[in-house]
Amino acid sequence: ETGVTQSPTHLIKTRGQQVTLRCSSQSGHNTVSWYQQALGQGPQFIFQYYREEENGRGNFPPRFSGLQFPNYSSELNVNALELDDSALYLCASSLGSGSSTDTQYFGPGTRLTVL
Amino acid sequence: AQSVTQLDSQVPVFEEAPVELRCNYSSSVSVYLFWYVQYPNQGLQLLLKYLSGSTLVESINGFEAEFNKSQTSFHLRKPSVHISDTAEYFCAVRENNAGNMLTFGGGTRLMVKP
Repeated sequence: ETGVTQSPTHLIKTRGQQVTLRCSSQSGHNTVSWYQQALGQGPQFIFQYYREEENGRGNFPPRFSGLQFPNYSSELNVNALELDDSALYLCASSLGSGSSTDTQYFGPGTRLTVL
Repeated sequence: AQSVTQLDSQVPVFEEAPVELRCNYSSSVSVYLFWYVQYPNQGLQLLLKYLSGSTLVESINGFEAEFNKSQTSFHLRKPSVHISDTAEYFCAVRENNAGNMLTFGGGTRLMVKP
């Protein structure tokens, strides 16, 4: 059973550019959540996808968008990058939303630096 | 909306000493509680969780946490720490009507000294 994987590991972009981060969920999991972890802080929820539909969103602007594919892998897209977008972006997968026993398992993250 | 407070940003402790990392939460509904550990330059690993049943939960590497509903706390303890326990520890809450969204505390850096 493979765990959650993310690519790339590190990424450097300049302000105003666009970026796409990728996540492969753990085998058998159909729900993917994305979190932003700024330096020295706890992760903050961006949004969640369940069976290819967004079904929850945190307090992030529309320039943060995502996709989930039929194989349940996912992408996070960020447009018009700002310096404050520099952070570790974490992807987490789980069996499916709604179950009280559902637990999220995290990938290693993508470190994004915006210059 | 729920919130999570980890009262200590850093906890220095000597090897083989006991440690407690504090976590308090606020929520108007029932919650599920989690502790995650993050080693340098890595993602989050689930340490232990409280979903229901016994309020004392344990991990395989000697950590335990107790859910105290009246004090809205979920403190993490270990009776004897090792150098390898040095890491960042995050407490997280999931409300039972909020889908799968986790709300995290700011983290506590555990620094184990020889």
